[in-house]
Amino acid sequence: KNQVEQSPQSLIILEGKNCTLQCNYTVSPFSNLRWYKQDTGRGPVSLTIMTFSENTKSNGRYTATLDADTKQSSLHITASQLSDSASYICVVSNSGTYKYIFGTGTRLKVLA
Amino acid sequence: NAGVTQTPKFQVLKTGQSMTLQCAQDMNHNSMYWYRQDPGMGLRLIYYSASEGTTDKGEVPNGYNVSRLNKREFSLRLESAAPSQTSVYFCASSEALREITDTQYFGPGTRLTVL
Repeated sequence: KNQVEQSPQSLIILEGKNCTLQCNYTVSPFSNLRWYKQDTGRGPVSLTIMTFSENTKSNGRYTATLDADTKQSSLHITASQLSDSASYICVVSNSGTYKYIFGTGTRLKVLA
Repeated sequence: NAGVTQTPKFQVLKTGQSMTLQCAQDMNHNSMYWYRQDPGMGLRLIYYSASEGTTDKGEVPNGYNVSRLNKREFSLRLESAAPSQTSVYFCASSEALREITDTQYFGPGTRLTVL
């Protein structure tokens, strides 16, 4: 069964600290993996997209990594800011159906 | 550019009532999607339209119908609302569904409560 699991479910960190969010997937055949940021009450916004051949992708203070062999991805946030408080969603695309399988997200709270 | 817009933002219905959720995009995208988001679950695809004139079922299509009115607009209709359809509904659009790095752009969502 195609699944995307994220950990931790929630995380609280102090402003300025780094953190890493995890994503494990069982989607096959794999097409690409995306990370989205969803602010409370808003729609998700794309942060990074990685294909099978890419193992790292950065977008400012956000760096995503992909290990296609172990089917794991991580999102590293450097020097966190209050505006990073949001849910971060891992999404994996199935190349057979072009459908997106969404994880349940990690809710990050950054405290001053 | 407004991006993806959705109306209404909030709606309360009684069981059995019908309504249509409207979605429009101004990015000249070919593909459009309707998702629902429930607590503790990932977004689930209801219907999608790969291009103007086509629509296909997603993961959870029962109880819904869609219309791709033109390239810009994609509506979602609940014919007879049920409490299980209480959710947040997101419309999204993308340039081309089958492009490997196709990026989806989401609207702000419609919060629907069915009593």
